[in-house]
Amino acid sequence: QKEVEQDPGPLSVPEGAIVSLNCTYSNSAFQYFMWYRQYSRKGPELLMYTYSSGNKEDGRFTAQVDKSSKYISLFIRDSQPSDSATYLCAMSGSGETGANNLFFGTGTRLTVIP
Amino acid sequence: NAGVTQTPKFQVLKTGQSMTLQCAQDMNHNSMYWYRQDPGMGLRLIYYSASEGTTDKGEVPNGYNVSRLNKREFSLRLESAAPSQTSVYFCASSEFWQPQHFGDGTRLSIL
Repeated sequence: QKEVEQDPGPLSVPEGAIVSLNCTYSNSAFQYFMWYRQYSRKGPELLMYTYSSGNKEDGRFTAQVDKSSKYISLFIRDSQPSDSATYLCAMSGSGETGANNLFFGTGTRLTVIP
Repeated sequence: NAGVTQTPKFQVLKTGQSMTLQCAQDMNHNSMYWYRQDPGMGLRLIYYSASEGTTDKGEVPNGYNVSRLNKREFSLRLESAAPSQTSVYFCASSEFWQPQHFGDGTRLSIL
């Protein structure tokens, strides 16, 4: 079993829809949770960063972490064609060295149709 | 402000050839990382350097070596390339316990 599981999709939604992306994980030591967006032929770009459980909102994006269920989510409101990309969840523990070694999901490919 | 810069962007090698992928960051970050990204596998950590002067193995280190040249630069070397190393390679950097920032990758094909 992989440490981080993510439905690869693909996911297609109409413009303006609410999108829900999810990941589950097995390692209870994970404390830092991130969502990255990756456009074709580009590197991952940090979208959201949360520590431990709870919600975080940034504009149209909301990240949720439920450590008791080992489940994280990213919600995108009023989705736009420019949101079409692959979304990667990532997480890490608190390593002693300070290096924030990430474990990634495989990514969900999202297409927002105008 | 360039962030993380990787060179080259594309490369084709023959089996058995050697090559060094270069990475430089201008954010004064302490930690640097090398990943490979393959379809269906996601991003997997090859090696990392928590701080200047240190390097450690990640999940898939076999067939690779790294050098932390200074605080800004972290290189990845393939000594004898194999077709299984065909992939997209990403370099990243971060401050201690902070999220990583990625370059745009090197697309490597090994024939």
